[in-house]
Amino acid sequence: KAGVTQTPRYLIKTRGQQVTLSCSPISGHRSVSWYQQTPGQGLQFLFEYFSETQRNKGNFPGRFSGRQFSNSRSEMNVSTLELGDSALYLCASSYDRSRGTEAFFGQGTRLTVV
Amino acid sequence: QQPVQSPQAVILREGEDAVINCSSSKALYSVHWYRQKHGEAPVFLMILLKGGEQKGHEKISASFNEKKQQSSLYLTASQLSYSGTYFCGTEFGGTSYGKLTFGQGTILTVHP
Repeated sequence: KAGVTQTPRYLIKTRGQQVTLSCSPISGHRSVSWYQQTPGQGLQFLFEYFSETQRNKGNFPGRFSGRQFSNSRSEMNVSTLELGDSALYLCASSYDRSRGTEAFFGQGTRLTVV
Repeated sequence: QQPVQSPQAVILREGEDAVINCSSSKALYSVHWYRQKHGEAPVFLMILLKGGEQKGHEKISASFNEKKQQSSLYLTASQLSYSGTYFCGTEFGGTSYGKLTFGQGTILTVHP
């Protein structure tokens, strides 16, 4: 069974640009969560989608947005990039997070903003 | 309400045991444990649910004290492969379903 796939693995963007990251969950999983990981702040929750609906959102500015498609694949978008957005962005897939099920992480996308 | 992990770091020799703790000031629905090696994704180890249910790897053991809102991960007879950063992720339930709040991590180093 294929794991969680995130693309691209690495990105370098300039301040002010926007970026879209993709996450394909494990087959059959309907929940996708996104996290930002930095050395200073650790792992921080961005948002979670289940059946194309955002069920929960973390404390990030509106520049961070996401969506989920009917095949459960998810994308997150960051507009007007800032230097502080440089981070490892991880997505986690789960069969159904509302029932306290296991969440499996992808390899992440390393975003560098210059 | 980020959970607090202790210790922040621990160094072991192969075969030694370690305990990593995760404490929350808020009532928990579940606790999830992950291990992350440098440059890799966090790997799921175990989930402990309110009420006593546990799911995870057979070789990993953990406990969840609902009265104290504290979970402990027990690493016995450590191996070199146990090295990495251990995170606990807490889920509060209610409208927080689907959201994990992670501790700051515990760095475990196992030496030969």
